[in-house]
Amino acid sequence: GAVVSQHPSWVICKSGTSVKIECRSLDFQATTMFWYRQFPKQSLMLMATSNEGSKATYEQGVEKDKFLINHASLTLSTLTVTSAHPEDSSFYICSARDFVGGDTQYFGPGTRLTVL
Amino acid sequence: QQQVKQSPQSLIVQKGGISIINCAYENTAFDYFPWYQQFPGKGPALLIAIRPDVSEKKEGRFTISFNKSAKQFSLHIMDSQPGDSATYFCAASFSRNQFYFGTGTSLTVIP
Repeated sequence: GAVVSQHPSWVICKSGTSVKIECRSLDFQATTMFWYRQFPKQSLMLMATSNEGSKATYEQGVEKDKFLINHASLTLSTLTVTSAHPEDSSFYICSARDFVGGDTQYFGPGTRLTVL
Repeated sequence: QQQVKQSPQSLIVQKGGISIINCAYENTAFDYFPWYQQFPGKGPALLIAIRPDVSEKKEGRFTISFNKSAKQFSLHIMDSQPGDSATYFCAASFSRNQFYFGTGTSLTVIP
């Protein structure tokens, strides 16, 4: 089945530093990847849609300059949280849709970010 | 505006019982309705999905019932097991665009 990986699975950083999270589709090509944020016991909140080779589309209220998204290849998208602050602490999850345009999104295992 | 409404927020079921989770949507353009299962600290995993031209889909112990006229769909878990204890999310999308997720249901199956 389709597998999506994320790295790292958890990260702790100091306030003011930047953190990069990688999302990879391991056995399929993903033209579209999505980045979500999830708070404890809440639903997934879509942050942005990332298409390979083009700029990401951000949801309303999501700061583009703070959450930098790059989708440089058909198997890799990265989310960089710049100048992280404690309020950025959350569970970040990516998902990928395969190249042939299937409807299903396959989710990564998530990255737990804690900003001290 | 919540595009997909999910209920109940939490559910406790006896082992062997039937778990039922309901979702309702407004946008008739939605054409794909998946259910995801999420364990604590993990990403959501696709459980089962349905399209609006089908009224029911069954995979093992999991069944989706779809009512197009009522704009509702539900997940039934037959013979619920303690290992099914997780959070379940319904979702809807159209034309292969973004998913709109429900608010989630925390299921606990007690032995």
